Amino acid sequence: AQSVTQLGSHVSVSEGALVLLRCNYSSSVPPYLFWYVQYPNQGLQLLLKYTSAATLVKGINGFEAEFKKSETSFHLTKPSAHMRDAAEYFCAQGAQKLVFGQGTRLTINP
Amino acid sequence: ETGVTQTPRHLVMGMTNKKSLKCEQHLGHNAMYWYKQSAKKPLELMFVYSLEERVENNSVPSRFSPECPNSSHLFLHLHTLQPEDSALYLCASSQGTQETQYFGPGTRLLVL
Repeated sequence: AQSVTQLGSHVSVSEGALVLLRCNYSSSVPPYLFWYVQYPNQGLQLLLKYTSAATLVKGINGFEAEFKKSETSFHLTKPSAHMRDAAEYFCAQGAQKLVFGQGTRLTINP
Repeated sequence: ETGVTQTPRHLVMGMTNKKSLKCEQHLGHNAMYWYKQSAKKPLELMFVYSLEERVENNSVPSRFSPECPNSSHLFLHLHTLQPEDSALYLCASSQGTQETQYFGPGTRLLVL
C-alpha cells in the first residue's frame, strides 16, 4: 500500500530563517505528489503539486519542493519564513485516492 | 460563493441524533470526496463520487451515508454516531478523479 511519511510532527524556525519540511513517499510508479497547507479552522489549500514535469516545483507563498526519485523524497522549502506561514502542512501522493502524511505543524518564532 | 463550501461549520450531536453535512462546489467539477480528519491521525478518505456515482467506499461504517444528487452537491448523512466519530469532516472536489482536489473549510463535528 502507498504511504507518505512526514519527518517531524512539529518544526519551529525563526522569522526569516529557512523552512524545510520533509516528506518521503512510497510508490512504484511515478507519483503525483502534493503539498497542502491548513491554517487554523480552515480546510486544506493546495501549495503545489508534482506531476512528472520539472523536478523543482514552485508553489504559492514562496514555497517550492524538489522531487528526488533516488531518495523518494519531496521536501518543501521556503528561503525565508514569515509569521503568516505558521500552519499545518500536509504532503500527499496519489490521484483519485490521495494518501496523506500525518502533517507537520510549523511554528514561526519572532 | 466561490470554491468549495461546507455547512454547517460546527455541529454538536448526540449519539441518537440524525444530522446531515452539506458540501457544495462552485468550480464546475465532476468528482467529489469526503475525508475525515481526526486528531493525531492522517486524513482518511471516506467516499469518492465521480459523475454522481460512488466509485470508492473506503470501509466506512454504515452509520455514515453519502448522497450525491448532482455534480455540485454532496451530503453526508449521519445517524447513531459514536464519540470516536468526532472529527473534522472535509469535502473536496476535482475535475476528474485524477486531477487536483480542492478542499472546503470542513465541518467540525462533536458527538456527545
